[in-house]
Amino acid sequence: GDSVTQMEGPVTLSEEAFLTINCTYTATGYPSLFWYVQYPGEGLQLLLKATKADDKGSNKGFEATYRKETTSFHLEKGSVQVSDSAVYFCALKALQGGSEKLVFGKGTKLTVNP
Amino acid sequence: DSGVTQTPKHLITATGQRVTLRCSPRSGDLSVYWYQQSLDQGLQFLIQYYNGEERAKGNILERFSAQQFPDLHSELNLSSLELGDSALYFCASSPTGSTDTQYFGPGTRLTVL
Repeated sequence: GDSVTQMEGPVTLSEEAFLTINCTYTATGYPSLFWYVQYPGEGLQLLLKATKADDKGSNKGFEATYRKETTSFHLEKGSVQVSDSAVYFCALKALQGGSEKLVFGKGTKLTVNP
Repeated sequence: DSGVTQTPKHLITATGQRVTLRCSPRSGDLSVYWYQQSLDQGLQFLIQYYNGEERAKGNILERFSAQQFPDLHSELNLSSLELGDSALYFCASSPTGSTDTQYFGPGTRLTVL
């Protein structure tokens, strides 16, 4: 079945460092791809998405490009802030029996130190 | 604040018991989704309702059931609880039946002792 694999954390960076969180997927066809973020004590929030190959999703300085040749959707940010400390989830939209569902990776915890 | 509310925030109960988790979606959203987040399984989709009817089913156990009421709020019922059911249960809502943009509630933490 469809699945998402994320780099295991935790990831610890200093403020203003460059961030990459790797995400690869296995799916039939070309699913829509998402990054969600979960801040401490809160629910998930959609960070960005891409619906077709070569699309770039971006939001709040974060970017991810849908690469069908490598089945990847890596999350990047050029300069992280302490406020970016959170758990990041990569996800895909899977079609199953005529209905949709989101399949999530295990999540990657990011800690940014001042 | 996503606009999705869940009650209670925390629930502690014993094995074999039954609990009900409640979710109120954002105003106007027709779809409600339930997820289970645990350390070993990660975030797993359980079930989706759209305008009162079941739309999609994920890895939901037979001991679990859900419904969506005419006012669009939803309840997740967990029965014959086991230790392994301890987890964070999230509800999410979206305006339509599409899963593309979901708004998550803060979750209910269930502890089964």
